Parts: sequence; C-alpha cells; structure tokens
Amino acid sequence: AQKITQTQPGMFVQEKEAVTLDCTYDTSDQSYGLFWYKQPSSGEMIFLIYQGSYDEQNATEGRYSLNFQKARKSANLVISASQLGDSAMYFCAMREGDGGSSNTGKLIFGQGTTLQVKP
Amino acid sequence: DTEVTQTPKHLVMGMTNKKSLKCEQHMGHRAMYWYKQKAKKPPELMFVYSYEKLSINESVPSRFSPECPNSSLLNLHLHALQPEDSALYLCASSQEYSRWETQYFGPGTRLLVL
Repeated sequence: AQKITQTQPGMFVQEKEAVTLDCTYDTSDQSYGLFWYKQPSSGEMIFLIYQGSYDEQNATEGRYSLNFQKARKSANLVISASQLGDSAMYFCAMREGDGGSSNTGKLIFGQGTTLQVKP
Repeated sequence: DTEVTQTPKHLVMGMTNKKSLKCEQHMGHRAMYWYKQKAKKPPELMFVYSYEKLSINESVPSRFSPECPNSSLLNLHLHALQPEDSALYLCASSQEYSRWETQYFGPGTRLLVL
C-alpha cells in the first residue's frame, strides 16, 4: 500500500535562511504524483508544488523547490529565504493509482511537519 | 483563479441539530471532495464526487450526507452528530478525478458538536 513518511514533526529555521522538509514515500506504482501543501493556523490547505513521477527535472515554484530523488523515493521540499509567513504545517502527499481502471486517485498524506520561522 | 469557498467558517451545533456545510468553486472543476481533519493530523478523505456523481464514500457514518446539486456546488448535510465529529471540514476540487490533477482546498469549516 502507498505510504508517505515525514520524519520531522517540528522544525525551526531562522528568517532568510533555507530549510529542507523531508518526505519519503512507498509505492509499487510506476506513475504517481507528489504534492506539497502548506496549512497555516487559519486552516486552509494551500497547494505549493507538484512533481510527476516521470518528470525529469525537479519542480520549482518561486521560493519552493522539490528535491525529487526517485531511486531513493524521496521528495523533499526546499524553501529558500524563509519568511515569517512561512510558519505553518506542511504536508507531503501522493496520489495513488496505476492509471488504469483501478486508479482511485486518492490523495495520501504524510503526518506533516510544523515549521516555525524565527525572526 | 484557484478559489474554493466554504460557508460557514465556524459552526456550533448540538447533537440533535441538523445543519449543512456548503462548498463552491467556479473553476470548471469536475471533481469535488470532502475531507475531515482533526487537530495536528492530516486530512482524511470522506467523499468524492466526479461529474456530480458520488464516486467514493470512505465508509462515512450516515449522519453525514453529501449532495452535489450542480458542478459548482457541494453540500454536506449533518444530523445527529457526536462530539467526536468536531473537526475542521475541508472541501477541495480538481479538474478531473485523477492522480495527475492538483486538488485545491477551501478555507474549511470548523465544526464543534456539543
């Protein structure tokens, strides 16, 4: 069964520094999608970045980049130049399914990492 | 514009009440979702609608009743809830129901059952 593991329950980073949030996944599917979401204390889940399993290059979106290492089954989120507004919980997620009739498309979440940015 | 709206933002209800949560999107998405999220936990999928038809019910108790009146609207009808149903209820939508499509979430409704 598919599984997402985020081993860092909580992290601190100094403002303006870069931080890496770890995510490893387990799947027997050959094709899958990996996502990162940010959830501030207000509750809204904000989509940050997406990586497809067949994408050759690592995804980037502004200050967010995804360090995708397929052989190691890891999809770490890198936030450059941290800002106070980056303080939130971050979820790594994967959509399962084999692309055929059994593609359920369910989003599997990790347990999340709480990031606190210090001024 | 990747906006999903949810009303109300907060809801307090007794165990004998009947209430509804509403979700709306105008992005032309054909898949809509309800999630339940307890504090400091990841969201748990409850229901999926694809092209206005219920595709997935994750064995949710019948006191939760989803409804998709049209492609833009998703409701969650609540009745005879229990205190353990208190949670953040998130609605999401995506272009299609597939592993390649990003789900966009609304701000959620914080529900407290007394």
